[in-house]
Amino acid sequence: SQTIHQWPATLVQPVGSPLSLECTVEGTSNPNLYWYRQAAGRGLQLLFYSVGIGQISSEVPQNLSASRPQDRQFILSSKKLLLSDSGFYLCAWSASRANGYTFGSGTRLTVV
Amino acid sequence: GQSLEQPSEVTAVEGAIVQINCTYQTSGFYGLSWYQQHDGGAPTFLSYNGLDGLEETGRFSSFLSRSDSYGYLLLQELQMKDSASYFCAVTSSGGSYIPTFGRGTSLIVHP
Repeated sequence: SQTIHQWPATLVQPVGSPLSLECTVEGTSNPNLYWYRQAAGRGLQLLFYSVGIGQISSEVPQNLSASRPQDRQFILSSKKLLLSDSGFYLCAWSASRANGYTFGSGTRLTVV
Repeated sequence: GQSLEQPSEVTAVEGAIVQINCTYQTSGFYGLSWYQQHDGGAPTFLSYNGLDGLEETGRFSSFLSRSDSYGYLLLQELQMKDSASYFCAVTSSGGSYIPTFGRGTSLIVHP
């Protein structure tokens, strides 16, 4: 069966520090991968998606970047965090549109 | 772009039936899906409607009317554990076939 792992679960970082969040998927090959951010009490905002190694599409201009160094690995990064980067970050993958998205457990990031 | 409207909050009592509505605006509509998210947790996929009509999965059903750009999630025999946020998400060619999520409806189930 397919599983998605995301870590860390919680992160408190100072303004101006770098960020690296990792997501890996097991049990499937060539998955479509996504990074979403959810502000408190809000919906999910798509940040990046990837349909293959090295293929990254950005949806929102921001202080973040994404990379896909391996087929089942998706990384969200920042060189210098801003206060506005705080939120709940979710990695997801999909097998097909009809089967929906499977989300990782999320990383709650607080920038102080 | 795409936009979705759903109520911010719905309350109901245990054992009752509740309907959460979702209206959307998009170009190249492909499908409407629903997700459940408990406090502090990640969203989990509930259902998908690509064609008009009702899809039933246990106590949960989802309905779509493409001509009205409207769908709803129906929860029957409500249980306390159903207290959560529910998101509708629209998939369309205008959105690169990637779901755009609504702001979510907080469902509060009272005993």
